[in-house]
Amino acid sequence: DTEVTQTPKHLVMGMTNKKSLKCEQHMGHRAMYWYKQKAKKPPELMFVYSYEKLSINESVPSRFSPECPNSSLLNLHLHALQPEDSALYLCASRDRGNSPLHFGNGTRLTVT
Amino acid sequence: GQQLNQSPQSMFIQEGEDVSMNCTSSSIFNTWLWYKQDPGEGPVLLIALYKAGELTSNGRLTAQFGITRKDSFLNISASIPSDVGIYFCAGQRQGAQKLVFGQGTRLTINP
Repeated sequence: DTEVTQTPKHLVMGMTNKKSLKCEQHMGHRAMYWYKQKAKKPPELMFVYSYEKLSINESVPSRFSPECPNSSLLNLHLHALQPEDSALYLCASRDRGNSPLHFGNGTRLTVT
Repeated sequence: GQQLNQSPQSMFIQEGEDVSMNCTSSSIFNTWLWYKQDPGEGPVLLIALYKAGELTSNGRLTAQFGITRKDSFLNISASIPSDVGIYFCAGQRQGAQKLVFGQGTRLTINP
Protein backbone atom coordinates (compact mmCIF):
# COMPACT_ATOMS: atom_id res chain seq x y z
CA ASP A 1 0.00 0.00 0.00
CA THR A 2 1.25 3.45 -0.91
CA GLU A 3 1.74 6.01 1.86
CA VAL A 4 0.86 8.82 -0.52
CA THR A 5 -2.91 8.87 -1.02
CA GLN A 6 -4.52 10.45 -4.06
CA THR A 7 -8.19 11.11 -4.74
CA PRO A 8 -10.12 10.60 -6.86
CA LYS A 9 -8.72 7.52 -8.60
CA HIS A 10 -10.55 8.39 -11.81
CA LEU A 11 -11.96 11.70 -13.05
CA VAL A 12 -13.83 12.58 -16.22
CA MET A 13 -14.40 16.26 -16.85
CA GLY A 14 -15.57 18.52 -19.63
CA MET A 15 -13.51 21.39 -20.97
CA THR A 16 -15.58 23.96 -19.10
CA ASN A 17 -15.53 22.19 -15.73
CA LYS A 18 -13.56 23.07 -12.62
CA LYS A 19 -12.27 20.16 -10.57
CA SER A 20 -9.52 19.45 -8.04
CA LEU A 21 -7.13 16.58 -7.46
CA LYS A 22 -6.08 15.87 -3.88
CA CYS A 23 -2.98 14.31 -2.37
CA GLU A 24 -2.14 13.51 1.24
CA GLN A 25 0.94 12.10 2.97
CA HIS A 26 1.59 11.51 6.66
CA MET A 27 5.25 10.58 6.48
CA GLY A 28 6.39 14.05 7.59
CA HIS A 29 7.94 14.70 4.19
CA ARG A 30 8.64 18.38 3.50
CA ALA A 31 8.62 18.30 -0.29
CA MET A 32 5.61 17.40 -2.42
CA TYR A 33 5.40 17.03 -6.17
CA TRP A 34 2.90 16.89 -9.02
CA TYR A 35 3.78 14.87 -12.11
CA LYS A 36 1.88 14.23 -15.35
CA GLN A 37 2.35 10.88 -17.08
CA LYS A 38 1.24 9.91 -20.57
CA ALA A 39 0.96 6.28 -21.61
CA LYS A 40 4.28 4.46 -22.03
CA LYS A 41 6.25 7.56 -21.00
CA PRO A 42 8.12 8.45 -17.80
CA PRO A 43 6.54 10.90 -15.34
CA GLU A 44 6.95 14.55 -16.33
CA LEU A 45 7.47 17.08 -13.54
CA MET A 46 4.89 19.86 -13.15
CA PHE A 47 5.33 21.45 -9.71
CA VAL A 48 7.39 21.10 -6.54
CA TYR A 49 6.48 22.45 -3.12
CA SER A 50 9.18 22.63 -0.49
CA TYR A 51 8.17 23.52 3.08
CA GLU A 52 4.74 24.49 1.74
CA LYS A 53 6.16 27.02 -0.73
CA LEU A 54 6.15 26.60 -4.49
CA SER A 55 9.76 26.07 -5.49
CA ILE A 56 9.48 24.72 -9.03
CA ASN A 57 6.92 25.39 -11.78
CA GLU A 58 7.95 23.66 -14.98
CA SER A 59 6.24 26.26 -17.20
CA VAL A 60 2.89 24.58 -16.65
CA PRO A 61 -0.15 26.30 -18.27
CA SER A 62 -2.21 28.39 -15.87
CA ARG A 63 -5.22 26.10 -16.31
CA PHE A 64 -3.36 23.93 -13.75
CA SER A 65 -3.16 25.64 -10.34
CA PRO A 66 -1.38 23.95 -7.44
CA GLU A 67 -2.05 24.60 -3.78
CA CYS A 68 -0.35 23.36 -0.62
CA PRO A 69 -2.66 24.07 2.36
CA ASN A 70 -0.30 22.42 4.85
CA SER A 71 2.69 20.11 4.99
CA SER A 72 0.54 16.99 4.52
CA LEU A 73 -1.77 18.12 1.73
CA LEU A 74 -1.32 19.05 -1.90
CA ASN A 75 -4.07 20.00 -4.33
CA LEU A 76 -4.13 20.54 -8.07
CA HIS A 77 -6.98 22.74 -9.28
CA LEU A 78 -8.08 22.20 -12.86
CA HIS A 79 -9.99 24.65 -15.03
CA ALA A 80 -10.72 24.84 -18.75
CA LEU A 81 -8.61 21.80 -19.59
CA GLN A 82 -8.04 20.47 -23.09
CA PRO A 83 -8.44 16.85 -24.27
CA GLU A 84 -4.64 16.60 -24.57
CA ASP A 85 -4.44 17.13 -20.79
CA SER A 86 -5.87 13.64 -20.33
CA ALA A 87 -3.22 11.64 -18.47
CA LEU A 88 -2.29 9.98 -15.18
CA TYR A 89 -1.53 12.68 -12.59
CA LEU A 90 0.87 11.52 -9.92
CA CYS A 91 1.59 13.07 -6.56
CA ALA A 92 4.86 12.29 -4.80
CA SER A 93 6.69 13.29 -1.65
CA ARG A 94 10.17 13.04 -0.21
CA ASP A 95 12.12 13.92 2.89
CA ARG A 96 15.14 16.19 2.96
CA GLY A 97 18.55 15.55 1.44
CA ASN A 98 18.86 12.77 -1.11
CA SER A 99 15.93 10.73 0.17
CA PRO A 100 13.97 9.00 -2.61
CA LEU A 101 10.66 10.11 -4.04
CA HIS A 102 7.56 8.14 -3.02
CA PHE A 103 4.62 8.18 -5.42
CA GLY A 104 0.88 7.85 -4.95
CA ASN A 105 -1.24 5.69 -7.24
CA GLY A 106 -2.35 8.62 -9.31
CA THR A 107 -5.57 10.07 -10.67
CA ARG A 108 -6.52 8.96 -14.17
CA LEU A 109 -7.94 12.14 -15.76
CA THR A 110 -9.99 12.15 -18.94
CA VAL A 111 -10.98 15.47 -20.49
CA THR A 112 -13.91 15.25 -22.90
CA GLY B 1 14.79 18.30 -20.40
CA GLN B 2 17.60 15.79 -19.96
CA GLN B 3 16.70 12.13 -19.95
CA LEU B 4 18.66 9.06 -19.11
CA ASN B 5 19.40 6.40 -21.73
CA GLN B 6 17.61 3.30 -20.46
CA SER B 7 17.89 -0.01 -22.27
CA PRO B 8 16.44 -2.19 -23.43
CA GLN B 9 13.12 -0.48 -24.17
CA SER B 10 11.29 -3.79 -23.93
CA MET B 11 12.03 -7.39 -23.03
CA PHE B 12 10.11 -10.58 -23.72
CA ILE B 13 11.37 -13.47 -21.61
CA GLN B 14 10.38 -16.88 -20.29
CA GLU B 15 9.41 -17.32 -16.67
CA GLY B 16 12.45 -18.29 -14.63
CA GLU B 17 14.94 -16.35 -16.75
CA ASP B 18 17.18 -13.64 -15.37
CA VAL B 19 16.72 -10.04 -16.51
CA SER B 20 19.19 -7.22 -16.83
CA MET B 21 18.56 -3.57 -17.69
CA ASN B 22 20.68 -0.44 -17.41
CA CYS B 23 20.73 3.33 -17.50
CA THR B 24 23.49 5.61 -18.68
CA SER B 25 24.02 9.34 -18.55
CA SER B 26 26.50 11.85 -19.94
CA SER B 27 26.69 13.53 -16.53
CA ILE B 28 27.12 12.27 -12.98
CA PHE B 29 24.43 11.67 -10.40
CA ASN B 30 24.67 11.33 -6.63
CA THR B 31 21.65 9.08 -6.28
CA TRP B 32 20.26 6.37 -8.55
CA LEU B 33 16.75 5.04 -8.04
CA TRP B 34 14.89 2.13 -9.61
CA TYR B 35 11.08 2.07 -9.76
CA LYS B 36 8.51 -0.44 -11.04
CA GLN B 37 5.13 0.65 -12.35
CA ASP B 38 2.12 -1.62 -12.84
CA PRO B 39 -0.74 -0.57 -15.15
CA GLY B 40 -2.99 2.05 -13.58
CA GLU B 41 -0.74 2.51 -10.55
CA GLY B 42 2.03 4.83 -9.49
CA PRO B 43 5.73 3.94 -9.62
CA VAL B 44 6.92 1.94 -6.61
CA LEU B 45 10.46 2.38 -5.32
CA LEU B 46 12.48 -0.85 -5.63
CA ILE B 47 16.03 0.15 -4.76
CA ALA B 48 17.85 3.40 -3.89
CA LEU B 49 21.63 3.74 -4.41
CA TYR B 50 23.68 6.52 -2.83
CA LYS B 51 27.34 5.67 -3.31
CA ALA B 52 29.50 4.97 -6.37
CA GLY B 53 30.18 1.25 -6.63
CA GLU B 54 27.36 0.38 -4.23
CA LEU B 55 25.66 -2.97 -4.88
CA THR B 56 22.27 -3.39 -3.19
CA SER B 57 19.81 -6.28 -3.19
CA ASN B 58 16.09 -6.44 -2.49
CA GLY B 59 15.00 -10.08 -2.69
CA ARG B 60 15.55 -11.26 -6.27
CA LEU B 61 16.50 -7.74 -7.36
CA THR B 62 20.05 -6.43 -7.39
CA ALA B 63 21.11 -2.94 -8.48
CA GLN B 64 24.49 -1.27 -8.76
CA PHE B 65 25.61 2.36 -8.77
CA GLY B 66 28.29 2.62 -11.47
CA ILE B 67 31.79 3.57 -10.38
CA THR B 68 31.83 6.54 -12.77
CA ARG B 69 28.49 7.74 -11.27
CA LYS B 70 27.13 7.92 -14.83
CA ASP B 71 25.36 4.58 -14.95
CA SER B 72 23.38 2.00 -13.02
CA PHE B 73 22.01 -1.45 -13.70
CA LEU B 74 19.18 -3.57 -12.32
CA ASN B 75 19.12 -7.35 -12.39
CA ILE B 76 16.14 -9.58 -11.63
CA SER B 77 16.88 -13.23 -11.01
CA ALA B 78 14.50 -16.14 -11.68
CA SER B 79 11.68 -13.97 -13.04
CA ILE B 80 8.08 -14.69 -12.04
CA PRO B 81 4.81 -13.46 -13.58
CA SER B 82 4.37 -10.63 -11.08
CA ASP B 83 7.62 -9.07 -12.31
CA VAL B 84 5.71 -7.90 -15.41
CA GLY B 85 5.56 -4.12 -15.63
CA ILE B 86 7.55 -1.05 -16.60
CA TYR B 87 10.83 -0.38 -14.83
CA PHE B 88 12.16 3.18 -14.62
CA CYS B 89 15.58 4.34 -13.55
CA ALA B 90 15.97 7.85 -12.14
CA GLY B 91 19.00 9.92 -11.26
CA GLN B 92 19.27 12.77 -8.79
CA ARG B 93 22.04 15.32 -8.38
CA GLN B 94 23.27 16.57 -5.01
CA GLY B 95 20.81 19.07 -3.55
CA ALA B 96 18.52 18.89 -6.57
CA GLN B 97 14.77 18.64 -6.16
CA LYS B 98 14.23 17.16 -9.61
CA LEU B 99 14.69 13.58 -10.71
CA VAL B 100 15.82 12.71 -14.23
CA PHE B 101 13.99 9.62 -15.52
CA GLY B 102 14.90 6.99 -18.08
CA GLN B 103 12.36 6.11 -20.77
CA GLY B 104 11.48 2.84 -19.08
CA THR B 105 11.93 -0.87 -19.79
CA ARG B 106 8.72 -2.81 -20.42
CA LEU B 107 9.06 -6.39 -19.17
CA THR B 108 6.77 -9.12 -20.50
CA ILE B 109 7.00 -12.71 -19.24
CA ASN B 110 5.77 -15.77 -21.12
CA PRO B 111 4.65 -18.46 -18.69
